[in-house]
Amino acid sequence: EVQLVESGGGLIQPGGSLRLSCAASGFTVSSNYMSWVRQAPGKGLEWVSVIDSGGRTYYADSVKGQFTMSRDNSKNTVFLQMNSLRAEDTAVYWCAREQGRGVITPYFDYWGQGILVTVSS
Amino acid sequence: QSVLTQPPSASGTPGQRVTVSCSGSSSNIGRNTVNWYQQFPGTAPKLLIYKDNQRPSGVPDRFSGSKSGTSASLAISGLQSEDEADYYCAAWDDSPNVVVFGGGTKLTVL
Repeated sequence: EVQLVESGGGLIQPGGSLRLSCAASGFTVSSNYMSWVRQAPGKGLEWVSVIDSGGRTYYADSVKGQFTMSRDNSKNTVFLQMNSLRAEDTAVYWCAREQGRGVITPYFDYWGQGILVTVSS
Repeated sequence: QSVLTQPPSASGTPGQRVTVSCSGSSSNIGRNTVNWYQQFPGTAPKLLIYKDNQRPSGVPDRFSGSKSGTSASLAISGLQSEDEADYYCAAWDDSPNVVVFGGGTKLTVL
């Protein structure tokens, strides 16, 4: 059974850093594309970043240079390092397995339960 | 302001057929496939439709997707109370090469 479990969220002051983790089971992250998607309170969905099977990463313009995605193959886990956090980064963050990139519009077939990141003083 | 435009709300009565629209442009829906997600409050989105009209295993055939030009639609037939949720469309946008989402449509079953 495919499962994704996020951790590492919480309340952080503006300018601070957080690292989100997403532990996967039921499949191998290094053989798949993995994305982070976020949703600000009361708002819609926003794609944040992806790491492909080759380890290459891509980011939304809104977080480029601020967030870094990585993975640990031995732990079957992906990470999102978030630096210089701002109030507008407050959101629920999900990791999701991605399919179809480069062929069709990527779709997210499995999602974690989500983790809340609140940036506030 | 979302790149893809959805009506903020839609409604229907049990058994009715309802549609949710998603309007885009030539750089997204006009050239690329569309996906749809269903989201209940406080939970993760669930993939409902991918590649315009394909249903993942387990999604009832009451849900269907279609696309024409720069617009897409999600149709729900035989509406049920448990279909009350938020629905989001998504498409690849060639500029700036990212997945973009609609603002979401809150479906109410009256």
